[in-house]
Amino acid sequence: LAKTTQPISMDSYEGQEVNITCSHNNIATNDYITWYQQFPSQGPRFIIQGYKTKVTNEVASLFIPADRKSSTLSLPRVSLSDTAVYYCLVGDEVDSNYQLIWGAGTKLIIKP
Amino acid sequence: ETGVTQTPRHLVMGMTNKKSLKCEQHLGHNAMYWYKQSAKKPLELMFVYNFKEQTENNSVPSRFSPECPNSSHLFLHLHTLQPEDSALYLCASSQDAQGNTIYFGEGSWLTVV
Repeated sequence: LAKTTQPISMDSYEGQEVNITCSHNNIATNDYITWYQQFPSQGPRFIIQGYKTKVTNEVASLFIPADRKSSTLSLPRVSLSDTAVYYCLVGDEVDSNYQLIWGAGTKLIIKP
Repeated sequence: ETGVTQTPRHLVMGMTNKKSLKCEQHLGHNAMYWYKQSAKKPLELMFVYNFKEQTENNSVPSRFSPECPNSSHLFLHLHTLQPEDSALYLCASSQDAQGNTIYFGEGSWLTVV
């Protein structure tokens, strides 16, 4: 079964670029890697999704190496409002049983 | 607004009470989920419904009873809960149970006293 590992917490400052890496050693061959953002007292919110190489949208970039055993969420020029918990999510399929595997979350604190 | 609405947002119940959490999605999705999120713990998947059929019960105690009358509505019936069941209960939906683009509701904060 796939297992995801990500740092428990990170600190950074406004205007900096922040990179959060998640390792997922046994990701399903055809599955996507998805990242979510969660603010206190709210449900997780979709940020970005990718299969391989690099994906960029209006809020983040996602870098996935060729072996797909890890992924890095990149937040450019963070602000105080980016303080949140960030989760990676991958799928795994064992004996035709598909399961979603959530990371434990990385608590990102942005300082002024 | 994520398209997934949960009610109530906050609930306080005694250990002998019976209450229900409600979830409704307006996204036309076919899969719906209940997750539990306790303080300082990862998201815990409780139940998965795909096309109204329960496809996963993640060893959840029987004091939690889900109901999915149609693809747009999901309930979690609660009875004789314990204080350790106090948590944020999140409902979510996705196009189908094979996808990982999941849309969450705001959650229902449950306190068992």
